[in-house]
Amino acid sequence: AQRVTQPEKLLSVFKGAPVELKCNYSYSGSPELFWYVQYSRQRLQLLLRHISRESIKGFTADLNKGETSFHLKKPFAQEEDSAMYYCALSGQGDSNYQLIWGAGTKLIIKP
Amino acid sequence: GAVVSQHPSWVICKSGTSVKIECRSLDFQATTMFWYRQFPKQSLMLMATSNEGSKATYEQGVEKDKFLINHASLTLSTLTVTSAHPEDSSFYICSAAGRRGFRPQHFGDGTRLSIL
Repeated sequence: AQRVTQPEKLLSVFKGAPVELKCNYSYSGSPELFWYVQYSRQRLQLLLRHISRESIKGFTADLNKGETSFHLKKPFAQEEDSAMYYCALSGQGDSNYQLIWGAGTKLIIKP
Repeated sequence: GAVVSQHPSWVICKSGTSVKIECRSLDFQATTMFWYRQFPKQSLMLMATSNEGSKATYEQGVEKDKFLINHASLTLSTLTVTSAHPEDSSFYICSAAGRRGFRPQHFGDGTRLSIL
């Protein structure tokens, strides 16, 4: 079954502490993985995609095919990182670009 | 770039009314548009996928006669909630994806629909 699992509904860390938001997936083919972020009262926006291999706002995510994971990490959390984070998956051969969504993790950065 | 405009942002109307929500890609051609529903504190639920010029593909459990989707052009898709009832009250979000290779979905701001 195709599935994206974000085990933590809520993650709360202090400012300056490292952050890791977990994402595991189940997919039979070659997936493309994304992280989307939704700040308070704003639209969903793309944060990272695994094929880009870039760092956005200090966040990185590495696709680990052995562990079927795509965890989102940041070494030093900032208050403005507080938001809702969604991990999503798309099949590379999927011409419809449909995304399979995780349930989301609410990240709260405490001052 | 890759801006998606969704209108209206908030609708309050009486039970039995039909409501139309528009989703426009402003600076790119969206070959595929998606309509989602989001309940409070929950993740996105895909309702349907529409490709320009063809009928929408609805997810299981979504009534196509209730939620009419039209994707008549590469920049516009509409969702019409027909004869809306209080249980249709929700947050509806559209997203758009461009031509092959332009994979990420880009989202509108969403429409909050409240049926009295």
